[in-house]
Amino acid sequence: QVQLVQSGAEVKKPGASVKVSCKTSGYTFTTYAMHWVRQAPGQRLEWMGWINAGNGDTKYSQKFQGRVTITRDTSANTAYMELSSLRSEDTAVYYCARGSTGGNWFDPWGQGTLVTVSS
Amino acid sequence: DIVMTQSPDSLAVSLGERATINCKSSQSVLYSSNNKNYLVWYQLKPGQPPKVLIYWASTRESGVPDRFSGSGSGTDFNLTISSLQAEDVAVYYCQQYYDTPFTFGPGTRVDIK
Repeated sequence: QVQLVQSGAEVKKPGASVKVSCKTSGYTFTTYAMHWVRQAPGQRLEWMGWINAGNGDTKYSQKFQGRVTITRDTSANTAYMELSSLRSEDTAVYYCARGSTGGNWFDPWGQGTLVTVSS
Repeated sequence: DIVMTQSPDSLAVSLGERATINCKSSQSVLYSSNNKNYLVWYQLKPGQPPKVLIYWASTRESGVPDRFSGSGSGTDFNLTISSLQAEDVAVYYCQQYYDTPFTFGPGTRVDIK
């Protein structure tokens, strides 16, 4: 079955960067988009960007443009999300989520990675 | 950006009763060329990732119980749970995938009365 397994929780200081991985299995990695979505405490889900796992093209939410980089390693069937210049407001659960076959909804999702930004 | 709103913020319903959640978008998410509404509903339980319930506003995901249904078009949508079960306690989110940035509603918490 399709599985997305994310890396473990991280604690970072303000100004640092974090890189979260999303290892996939159960499907052909290069045929689907991979999205990244986060949820800060008490906030709604927030889409950050996506990567075409086939050709590596990316698109980012304007909110995160310049701070987020989404990459992939096709040999490892793994996608990555790196967020730089972290601030306390970036404390959130970060999810990878595969694009669906029919449209840009997200299915399935990784288990989530808690990133805590604290001095 | 397309802004998504939901109402109510939370609701408590007796077991076996109907629960209805409304989602509105700030602009239409109906794509005229294919007459499809680019709207999905997710269920989110504590400690679990979101789960797709309904896509294209009214198409139930495989394996989702038929007590869940979606309706609406354009800018106004509903998710209905026809007979609430204990396992339906969760937060429900709508999301538009009509245009980037893809955006979510604030969520509606459903509890048992």
